[in-house]
Amino acid sequence: AQSVTQPDIHITVSEGASLELRCNYSYGATPYLFWYVQSPGQGLQLLLKYFSGDTLVQGIKGFEAEFKRSQSSFNLRKPSVHWSDAAEYFCAVARYTGTASKLTFGTGTRLQVTL
Amino acid sequence: DVKVTQSSRYLVKRTGEKVFLECVQDMDHENMFWYRQDPGLGLRLIYFSYDVKMKEKGDIPEGYSVSREKKERFSLILESASTNQTSMYLCASRTKTSGGYYTGELFFGEGSRLTVL
Repeated sequence: AQSVTQPDIHITVSEGASLELRCNYSYGATPYLFWYVQSPGQGLQLLLKYFSGDTLVQGIKGFEAEFKRSQSSFNLRKPSVHWSDAAEYFCAVARYTGTASKLTFGTGTRLQVTL
Repeated sequence: DVKVTQSSRYLVKRTGEKVFLECVQDMDHENMFWYRQDPGLGLRLIYFSYDVKMKEKGDIPEGYSVSREKKERFSLILESASTNQTSMYLCASRTKTSGGYYTGELFFGEGSRLTVL
């Protein structure tokens, strides 16, 4: 079964500092990987996704993520964090893209931004 | 923009009550999902429906049932609510790309926070 691990439950960074959120997956074949963000009181919004090709993917709000097969990782990065980035971030993995494809989510990383 | 609307943002129910959580999407999406979100556990899939009247159990279906009689509406039912079902419930929908694949981009509602006393 596929699984996703987000080792950091809570991270605090200063506004303007760089950010890296870790995500490790467990799945035998090439996975389909996603990062979602949940602002307080809101549903989840897709930040970016990786299906194939270039291992560095760009997303919305200035985020990017890099797929590293050798490390089974898909870490999310942002060069300069803004206070509005404070939210909870979820990594997710899917096995395929058929109609019954289901996403498995990690437990989330809560980002706090200090001014 | 895709809109997924969950009928109730906050509900308080008593143990043993039957609870209906309603979700409506306005973009003709084939797939709809119900997730449960708990601190430290992330999102866990309860049920999903890949088309009208079609449903499949997720990872934690016990104590829940679902109904999808119309494409735009997906209901989650707690037949007899228990305190361990106190949680945030998230509905989501998804459609195919032009290539016929399900890209995994889920569109989420804002959630329904259920408290069972």
